[in-house]
Amino acid sequence: EAGVTQFPSHSVIEKGQTVTLRCDPISGHDNLYWYRRVMGKEIKFLLHFVKESKQDESGMPNNRFLAERTGGTYSTLKVQPAELEDSGVYFCASSHVTRSVNEQYFGPGTRLTVT
Amino acid sequence: AQSVTQPDIHITVSEGASLELRCNYSYGATPYLFWYVQSPGQGLQLLLKYFSGDTLVQGIKGFEAEFKRSQSSFNLRKPSVHWSDAAEYFCAVGARGNNNDMRFGAGTRLTVKP
Repeated sequence: EAGVTQFPSHSVIEKGQTVTLRCDPISGHDNLYWYRRVMGKEIKFLLHFVKESKQDESGMPNNRFLAERTGGTYSTLKVQPAELEDSGVYFCASSHVTRSVNEQYFGPGTRLTVT
Repeated sequence: AQSVTQPDIHITVSEGASLELRCNYSYGATPYLFWYVQSPGQGLQLLLKYFSGDTLVQGIKGFEAEFKRSQSSFNLRKPSVHWSDAAEYFCAVGARGNNNDMRFGAGTRLTVKP
């Protein structure tokens, strides 16, 4: 079974530019999560999709970030315009919809560098 | 809301030595607890988890962790470290009944000396 995949693995952009990150969850996983880790800090929750619906986007830093999951399969996270503080590693995770326990499977992350 | 503290940013151990990585959590009830490992260029891999029952949890790669409610801790241990264990380790706590509410610690980087 293929795991969670993310593209690109690394992106370097200039301040003010736009970047779109992509996440392909494990097939059949309705839950999809985005997290971010700024250098040396903890991994922070950004948002959660259940199929194509945003269940919780309370962790999104500001309106420069837009996440979509059209059709309930892969998801994109767009940053527009990018700022220096957006640099970090963006992780995607997916899980089954279960009654009680949530075990999330993580992708390798996209390292975003804004210069 | 729950929170996680990993007091050690970086730990160095010799190959073959024992290892203990500390994790303390804050949560008002019994949490779900996880340890993840990230090797260079890889995603976060689940090492082990605690949901209920036996407080000593066995994981993959010879790791174990013990949930101690009285100390609000979930320390990760391994009796003999291998060079391939060099990686970054993250402790995480999840809220029961809320599938998206997971909090991670800042991570502990493990270096293994030959």
